[in-house]
This record gives sequence, C-alpha cells and structure tokens, in this order.
Amino acid sequence: DGGITQSPKYLFRKEGQNVTLSCEQNLNHDAMYWYRQDPGQGLRLIYYSQIVNDFQKGDIAEGYSVSREKKESFPLTVTSAQKNPTAFYLCASNQGASGRYNEQFFGPGTRLTVL
Amino acid sequence: SQQGEEDPQALSIQEGENATMNCSYKTSINNLQWYRQNSGRGLVHLILIRSNEREKHSGRLRVTLDTSKKSSSLLITASRAADTASYFCASGPGGKLIFGQGTELSVKP
Repeated sequence: DGGITQSPKYLFRKEGQNVTLSCEQNLNHDAMYWYRQDPGQGLRLIYYSQIVNDFQKGDIAEGYSVSREKKESFPLTVTSAQKNPTAFYLCASNQGASGRYNEQFFGPGTRLTVL
Repeated sequence: SQQGEEDPQALSIQEGENATMNCSYKTSINNLQWYRQNSGRGLVHLILIRSNEREKHSGRLRVTLDTSKKSSSLLITASRAADTASYFCASGPGGKLIFGQGTELSVKP
C-alpha cells in the first residue's frame, strides 16, 4: 500500500513535556508538510520541507520543530514552548517543484491533547 | 493568515439536491484545489483547477474559477448522504497551500 502514515492516532501530553509526532510516506514525494487544525477551522501551516535536509517555517512555527533526515520521514516535535498545543495535526506530501506542486496527499492525523 | 474564505460556512440539504460552495482568495495563484474532510480524518483531494482553466468536471463535481474576481465554486450534483463532510479550498504560490476555513455540508437522507 502506498500512502502516508501518522502515529500515534491519539497523544496525551502533560504540560512542560515535549512530544514527537511521526509522519512517514512511501510515495517517493520530495515535499512534506505539517498542518494544525483547530475545531471548526481550516488548516494552518506549521513547517514544510521541499527536499531532504531542508525545511522552512510556515505561518505558526513558534513552539514547534522538525527534521528531514530521510526523504520518507518528517517528524514534528511539539515543545513546551507551544502554549496551546491541543489540536489535530495533519501531515501531507506531494511531488514538490518537480510535480509543479500538484495535489497534496494527507495522513490520517494525530489528535494531541494536553492534560 | 487565511488565503481562502468559503461561503457558506455550513450548508444543509436533502439527498438528491445540488450543493454549491464558494471560495474567495487573495493572492495570485498557479492553481486552486478543493479537498474533502470527513469528521476526524485526513483530507482527500477532490479536484485541481489551473489558473488558465475556467471550468473543470470530475464525476458529480463541477469546479469553476474566475481569476478576475479571485473566486471559485464547487458544485456537487445529485448529492448523497455519503457526501456529508467539510469541504476546503486551497491555493497559494508554489507548494505552500493556504486553506480556507471550510464549508460543512450535511446531506440528509
């Protein structure tokens, strides 16, 4: 099966903890993205990566960090500096510039709750 | 910042009726995309329309694009209960898509 996987599906975090959300794709896509979705809202871009070992901040990068050491993996760390991290997190990928930025493929999401 | 704004925010119709959702955007685009999201799930790509296209069809979906008005519409014909979902438009320069807040569609059997 080709696609994007995210784990875990549900994640609970205590205040002051860092947590890492996993995103893996086997679509051979160059570009990967992380979004945050709050209830009743659209998606807001946290970070994106157009190629391995490179990434850029999106609109709401404060309190988050990412790495892109492998083409298929783009983990997101929610740090203790993120004051309101409770949200639904979505990872996506596409062919990037080589595909003229065509449609994005999404994972199933991780719901993060701060206790 | 939100690139797109969908209208209406919520829409409730009967099965068999048509559903029309509108989207406005702010900056110049290469293409505009529509996505669907079932509750608590990831987004699924529906259709992409390029800036030099005015209309595009895919099954029961019809998308129009008016670049002079910076607006797009999504029409779902002969709706079904299974079409119940949130629908988002997305656009932006390069690969950095910016999503609207979505239209929540409810199709009653």
